[in-house]
Amino acid sequence: QKEVEQNSGPLSVPEGAIASLNCTYSDRGSQSFFWYRQYSGKSPELIMFIYSNGDKEDGRFTAQLNKASQYVSLLIRDSQPSDSATYLCAVNEETSYDKVIFGPGTSLSVIP
Amino acid sequence: NAGVTQTPKFQVLKTGQSMTLQCAQDMNHNSMYWYRQDPGMGLRLIYYSASEGTTDKGEVPNGYNVSRLNKREFSLRLESAAPSQTSVYFCALADRGLWGVFFGSGTQLSVL
Repeated sequence: QKEVEQNSGPLSVPEGAIASLNCTYSDRGSQSFFWYRQYSGKSPELIMFIYSNGDKEDGRFTAQLNKASQYVSLLIRDSQPSDSATYLCAVNEETSYDKVIFGPGTSLSVIP
Repeated sequence: NAGVTQTPKFQVLKTGQSMTLQCAQDMNHNSMYWYRQDPGMGLRLIYYSASEGTTDKGEVPNGYNVSRLNKREFSLRLESAAPSQTSVYFCALADRGLWGVFFGSGTQLSVL
C-alpha cells in the first residue's frame, strides 16, 4: 500500500514566525505533489503544487521537493492567525496518475 | 466548491439501510473521486474514475459501489450501511490527477 506520512501535530507557532510542515511518501514514481489547506468544517482547498526538485514560491508559501529523499515540505512565512488550519499533503501514484492519495494532515495553530 | 454539487449534505441511516450519494460537475473534467474523512485519518480514497465508464478502487473500497454512467455524474452507493461508515464524504474532480483535485462541499453521514 502506497503511503503518505505527515506529523499529526498540533504544530504551534507565534504570529510572524515561519511554520514548517513536512511530508514523506513511499511511491518513488510519484510525479505530482500537492499541499491543501482545510479549515474546520470546510472542504480542502489546493494551495500549492510542485513537480520538480527544488523550491517553488507563491506569496508567503514555499513548497520544497526532494525526490531522492521522497520528501516534500511547505513553509509558511510571516504566519498569521488566519493560517490556523489542517494542512494536507497529497501525491499521485506512478501506476495511475489520476490516483491521488492524501496524508493524515498536520494541524497548525498560529498564536497571536 | 463551484462546479461540484454533492447531495445530500446530511444523512442519518440505520444499520443495514442503503443509500446513494450523488455528485455532479459542470466543469467538464475527466476524473472524479470519492473520499472519506475521519478524525485523525486525513482523506482516504474510496473509488475514482479516470473517464466516463471506468472506475477503479482506491484505498478503502470495501462496502461501497460506484457508478460513472456519464462524464458529468459519479455516484457512491452503500448497499448495507454499517456504523464504521459514519464519516464525511467528499466528491472531488480533476482535469487530470497530475494537477490536483478539487472538492465538493461534503456529505456528513451518520450510521446508527
